[in-house]
Order: sequence, then C-alpha cells, then structure tokens
Amino acid sequence: QSALTQPASVSESPGQSITISCTGTGTDVGGYNRVSWYQQHPGKAPKLLISEVSKRPSDVSDRFSGSKSGNTAYLTISGLQAEDEADYYCCSSSGPVTWVFGGGTKLTVL
Amino acid sequence: EVQLVESGGGLVQPGGSLRLSCAASGLTFSDSHMNWVRQTPGRGLEWISYIGSGYNIYYGDSVRGRFTISRDNAKNSVYLQMNNLRDDDTAVYYCARDHDWSFHNWGLGTLVTVSS
Repeated sequence: QSALTQPASVSESPGQSITISCTGTGTDVGGYNRVSWYQQHPGKAPKLLISEVSKRPSDVSDRFSGSKSGNTAYLTISGLQAEDEADYYCCSSSGPVTWVFGGGTKLTVL
Repeated sequence: EVQLVESGGGLVQPGGSLRLSCAASGLTFSDSHMNWVRQTPGRGLEWISYIGSGYNIYYGDSVRGRFTISRDNAKNSVYLQMNNLRDDDTAVYYCARDHDWSFHNWGLGTLVTVSS
C-alpha cells in the first residue's frame, strides 16, 4: 500500500486559485471513484472537504472542488483566503475495504 | 453533532501493549462503520483498521497480526488493542467514521509514544 503522491508544498496569493494533484495507480485512484480530500490545520484533526472525487459536504465552501483524470485526482481551491493555509491530504480506496493516503501538501497563502 | 473522543494513549516500551478507546455520540453507532487512522510527522496519515456495522474487519499491512479492532454497540465505543508495539507505531491515533468511502467525522486523537 504505497502512499499517493502529492506535491510537498504549494503557495499562491489571496484571491487566486490553486490546484493540488494526487497521483496514484490503477489499483487505487484510477480504479475507484472513491477519492476524498481533507484539510488539516496545525494541532487539529483532519476535516473532510471532498468525497467520492467531487462531492462536497454541506458545511464546506463551494470554493473547494474536486476532479479526477485517470490515475490523478485534483483539489482546486478558488478565491484563496488566509484561512485556507493548512495541510491538505488526498485519500483513495485501494481495495474493497482499504484506504491509502497521500503524503500531504502544505498550502501557503502569500 | 457527531463527537468522537479517543482515550488510552501514552508512553509504552517496545514490545508492550496498549488499548485505545473511542467513545461516539450524536450518531446511530450501531449503523456506523468505524476506523482507526494514525498520523506521524514523517509518514503522514495512515489508515490502519476498519470495523463495519456488520462486524466485518480489515487491517492495513503494517499492523495486521499485531493490532485488533473491536466494538461495543451498547457502549457506543470502538477499541484498538495494540500488541508487540514498535518504535514506528509512535503516532497520533484518530478514530474516524466513514460513510460512502470517506472519513466524515474524526476525533481529536490520542498520542501513542513507543520508546524505551
């Protein structure tokens, strides 16, 4: 169960948009529409942002969106705000009832 | 509001054992699929175990044979018995409820430190 590949860090200015990639294989990201994304602020628990590739819970801002192409999933954050500065993790099913996470991406809002 | 509260973490020597608990509220626990996910600075988040509402159980490769997950619906609780602990089991352990293949609710975590 190898971890999914995410960029270690990304940065962008407030008001701009940014996309974080999450690359796996045909046995995880590419094999299932079961990719989720999580936001984690320092010292806090992860929070679900996106489920099943592109579904957004009702308490999550519509500035967050998800997509997938082949073995790579994407999280896009539009209209960046200072509060978006956090770590972001992708996750995918890697079997009937198993999951694998990405290594995490640190987002800096300049 | 769903609340998950982990307990039982602490300092343990290599080869030792520890039992984590997670108390749930604000949900129909007996219908819920529960998981343990751990986090280390070096390895990030790692899913380690699942117990379904039907008591089916799965483990990640790194803990299979050493950790045992269980649940008590009468107490709205899920447990993780950890045996033969190793240095690389040091992590914050989170209890998480999954729904539609995503972890919708998380506890605050409990820290397990394996060190001599």
